[in-house]
Amino acid sequence: TQLLEQSPQFLSIQEGENLTVYCNSSSVFSSLQWYRQEPGEGPVLLVTVVTGGEVKKLKRLTFQFGDARKDSSLHITAAQPGDTGLYLCAGAENQGGKLIFGQGTELSVKP
Amino acid sequence: DAGITQSPRHKVTETGTPVTLRCHQTENHRYMYWYRQDPGHGLRLIHYSYGVKDTDKGEVSDGYSVSRSKTEDFLLTLESATSSQTSVYFCAISGRGSDTGELFFGEGSRLTVL
Repeated sequence: TQLLEQSPQFLSIQEGENLTVYCNSSSVFSSLQWYRQEPGEGPVLLVTVVTGGEVKKLKRLTFQFGDARKDSSLHITAAQPGDTGLYLCAGAENQGGKLIFGQGTELSVKP
Repeated sequence: DAGITQSPRHKVTETGTPVTLRCHQTENHRYMYWYRQDPGHGLRLIHYSYGVKDTDKGEVSDGYSVSRSKTEDFLLTLESATSSQTSVYFCAISGRGSDTGELFFGEGSRLTVL
């Protein structure tokens, strides 16, 4: 079974700070997705990265897929209170069409 | 928003009783999934379906069964609920296999087993 380790699990920062969340595995994934979840709701997809070394930007969020497709990172620039939530990475197994989720990073951005 | 409805949204039951959670979609998507979410574990796949009457086990399938008799409905059944099954359950759908397709999630069903 492929595993995804996310770090840190909890992150509390002040508005305006930068942060990076990491998602690591010893296994290769065909693609990797990042989701954001707010309390009482289901996760919502932020981005999918497919190619090793790929970098995608979504406003203040930058996502990177490792060259070997085993790891990924999410960088937020100038965090805002609206960024508060649970961030989940999910890797697609090479076969079977199933997603494996990391444990999640709970981000709190204080004004 | 993707048309996914989970019911019930909240349920409290006692150990040993059967429980069925329903996921209903209006998107005509082929793939449907049941996940459970617990603190420190992220989302773990229980069962999934790749078509009517076609289902397969996920990583935490023990104690759960599923059925899909229609494209739009995916049922998750706990035959005899245990306290370890207290969790928040999420249904998700995908138009393609989730290796490239986006998962759309329902709002979750919070189950408490006393």
